Amino acid sequence: EAQVTQNPRYLITVTGKKLTVTCSQNMNHEYMSWYRQDPGLGLRQIYYSMNVEVTDKGDVPEGYKVSRKEKRNFPLILESPSPNQTSLYFCASSPLGVQNTEAFFGQGTRLTVV
Amino acid sequence: GESVGLHLPTLSVQEGDNSIINCAYSNSASDYFIWYKQESGKGPQFIIDIRSNMDKRQGQRVTVLLNKTVKHLSLQIAATQPGDSAVYFCAERGSNYKLTFGKGTLLTVNP
Repeated sequence: EAQVTQNPRYLITVTGKKLTVTCSQNMNHEYMSWYRQDPGLGLRQIYYSMNVEVTDKGDVPEGYKVSRKEKRNFPLILESPSPNQTSLYFCASSPLGVQNTEAFFGQGTRLTVV
Repeated sequence: GESVGLHLPTLSVQEGDNSIINCAYSNSASDYFIWYKQESGKGPQFIIDIRSNMDKRQGQRVTVLLNKTVKHLSLQIAATQPGDSAVYFCAERGSNYKLTFGKGTLLTVNP
């Protein structure tokens, strides 16, 4: 089954404690991205990657890091989480091409930073 | 109830009625548009897409209309069912394949 898998689904952590949210896709997609979703603000892009070892900032990259060592994986790293990073996070992947570039989303990771 | 800070446009319809959800986009250079459905506790799911060289596309019970002159997108759902209750997002694709999402519309279907 084609899917994007995020882990964990729920996470409560304390300010300053480094954490990683994993994302993996099995569709051989080149493009992967991370979004955060907050009430009233919709989905905002944090980082994206167009291929292995190619990453770039989205609209709200501050406080986040990513890596793309393999095509299927795109982890999101919070080196020193703060309460304003409490949010619902989604990883997405899509093929690159002209005809069809819908994004497939994971189930989300609800992060609470206390 | 509504959460503090959450001001989603809402649409409430009766089961069996047709629904129309509207979206204004910002980038006249966007070449591809998608509608997503997000149910509570789940990630956004693809519904239908349309390229900028089209003005209408139909799927199963759904139709997307694109008006590039006024940068407006709409999603029509025929014979709305309770299972259609969700938040609906439009998204536009700009440079670097980046998708920019609208704030979403909450559709509630009353039995």
